[in-house]
Amino acid sequence: DGGITQSPKYLFRKEGQNVTLSCEQNLNHDAMYWYRQDPGQGLRLIYYSQIVNDFQKGDIAEGYSVSREKKESFPLTVTSAQKNPTAFYLCASSPGTSLTQYFGPGTRLTVL
Amino acid sequence: DQQVKQNSPSLSVQEGRISILNCDYTNSMFDYFLWYKKYPAEGPTFLISISSIKDKNEDGRFTVFLNKSAKHLSLHIVPSQPGDSAVYFCAAFGYSGGGADGLTFGKGTHLIIQP
Repeated sequence: DGGITQSPKYLFRKEGQNVTLSCEQNLNHDAMYWYRQDPGQGLRLIYYSQIVNDFQKGDIAEGYSVSREKKESFPLTVTSAQKNPTAFYLCASSPGTSLTQYFGPGTRLTVL
Repeated sequence: DQQVKQNSPSLSVQEGRISILNCDYTNSMFDYFLWYKKYPAEGPTFLISISSIKDKNEDGRFTVFLNKSAKHLSLHIVPSQPGDSAVYFCAAFGYSGGGADGLTFGKGTHLIIQP
């Protein structure tokens, strides 16, 4: 059963702590992306990776970091430098042959 | 500066009628457009897409129209069904000017199908 999984669904952290959000896909997609959504807003691109061991900053990369050591995995770390980390985080992937991106179920991060 | 705009935050349509969701864009470098449907606390689901070389693409009840000269696209859903009630996002792909290579999203339109 192919798809994109994000865990956990809900995550709570204290202010000043780093937190890593998981994203795994078994679709054999080359590219993976991280977006965040805030209430009443569209999705905004944080980071993306088109191949293993390579990634690029998106429009709002400050305060975030990523790694792409495996094709299937693209974890996102929200660091203490991110000023407004509370948001809904969405991971997506796309095959090399198409521009269509497919999304995971999302992780809602709340920083207390 | 918002490059993809969905000017109607919400739209109410009677069941069985046509739903028309609109989207405007400002960046002429965008060359591929997508519509996603999203329920609260879930990831967006891909609905339909269109390349800038076409002006229409149809998939079942969903049709997307693209008017490049007006930088406008629309999603038509006919007939509208109760399960269509969701937030619909328009997204565009192409060089956004910021160096990023992902999708640029509008803020979404909440479609409400009334019985």
